[in-house]
Amino acid sequence: QVQLVESGGGLVKPGGSLKLSCAASGFSFGDHYMNWIRQAPGKGLEWVSYIRSGGTTENYADSVKGRFTISRDDARNFLYLEMNNLTAEDTAVYYCATISEKMYWGQGARVTVSS
Amino acid sequence: DIQMTQSPATLSASVGARVTITCRASQSIGDWLAWYQQKPGKAPKPLIYKASSLESGVPLRFSGSGSGTEFTLTISSLQPDDFATYYCQQSYSFLWTFGQGTKVEIK
Repeated sequence: QVQLVESGGGLVKPGGSLKLSCAASGFSFGDHYMNWIRQAPGKGLEWVSYIRSGGTTENYADSVKGRFTISRDDARNFLYLEMNNLTAEDTAVYYCATISEKMYWGQGARVTVSS
Repeated sequence: DIQMTQSPATLSASVGARVTITCRASQSIGDWLAWYQQKPGKAPKPLIYKASSLESGVPLRFSGSGSGTEFTLTISSLQPDDFATYYCQQSYSFLWTFGQGTKVEIK
């Protein structure tokens, strides 16, 4: 069955960097566009970024543009989110997700930005 | 970006009540609409995909309807396990957008 497992979350100081990973299995990863979504404490869901199959196209929410970079390794079935110049507003649980008619989400990786 | 407007923000209801949540898209999204249930500290759980298709294992008291710009999630008989926050989400655009959420509380 489809599995998405995020890792790499943790505590980071303002201005710091972190790289999240998402291990995918149970589907043709290379054929699917992949997304990162986040949820700040007590807030709703916010789309962060997507990358199309083959890595041909990527896009970002205005709130992270220029600071976050999405990438993928189709040979290893991994999705990544490199986050730089982090601020307290980036504190959230980050989910990787995809769609194949149905929606598939991971369980999330918690990122806390605090001094 | 496609805006998703969800209502109400909060809903108080009793066990056994019929509950309806509405989601409106700022432009037609066909049937590319999903519904999620989320409980505190947990990841969103998909309930409905393609507007009206029930995810495997989801109780039959949940149903989704609509197309274009107007969508509804209905719980036919609210159960204690259903008290949670519900979100709609469009995937018509690569830039996914979500409703603001509806918190279903015990009356």
